[in-house]
Amino acid sequence: GQQVMQIPQYQHVQEGEDFTTYCNSSTTLSNIQWYKQRPGGHPVFLIQLVKSGEVKKQKRLTFQFGEAKKNSSLHITATQTTDVGTYFCAGPIRAGNNRKLIWGLGTSLAVNP
Amino acid sequence: KAGVTQTPRYLIKTRGQQVTLSCSPISGHRSVSWYQQTPGQGLQFLFEYFSETQRNKGNFPGRFSGRQFSNSRSEMNVSTLELGDSALYLCASSLEYSRLGDNEQFFGPGTRLTVL
Repeated sequence: GQQVMQIPQYQHVQEGEDFTTYCNSSTTLSNIQWYKQRPGGHPVFLIQLVKSGEVKKQKRLTFQFGEAKKNSSLHITATQTTDVGTYFCAGPIRAGNNRKLIWGLGTSLAVNP
Repeated sequence: KAGVTQTPRYLIKTRGQQVTLSCSPISGHRSVSWYQQTPGQGLQFLFEYFSETQRNKGNFPGRFSGRQFSNSRSEMNVSTLELGDSALYLCASSLEYSRLGDNEQFFGPGTRLTVL
């Protein structure tokens, strides 16, 4: 079925190193959202990308939406310990009159100080 | 503004029992979605309610049901609990309903359900 794949599943970095997580959908998405979930917490909305080829930046975070609107990436420059958590991408999949948000399994980021 | 609240925060049930979870969205938010989160399956969409009507539904069996009240508060019910229903159940609210699914969602802290 339709799914959203996210890689890598885990990433361990030294503080100051860069980090990237990739999201690939089996189908074209109208938009893609990124969320962050801290350990023991709940997902928190980071950003939404809508346009083909769109790039958005939030301080050290850079989000991209692919030209075909089937893939996306999140890049963090110079990671900090506050970046620790699991990063999820999610996109709406439509089947007839039904729409559901499909989530990647997330990339868990650990940062060594 | 208060965030999304969910009650109870923790629940322990036994197989065969039923459970009702409650969600109060952010004041003014009218759309409520429910998710099941497990380590192996990640976040899986259960259903979405808006204006007291179920607008979208995920691929869960009929044992999972929900409803929304006129004040936008929502409940979900799981009947005949199975061991595999053990999970974190998250509720998320959005300001309005979007056919494109492009609304920012605000999540509650979740209800941790353990089925023994």
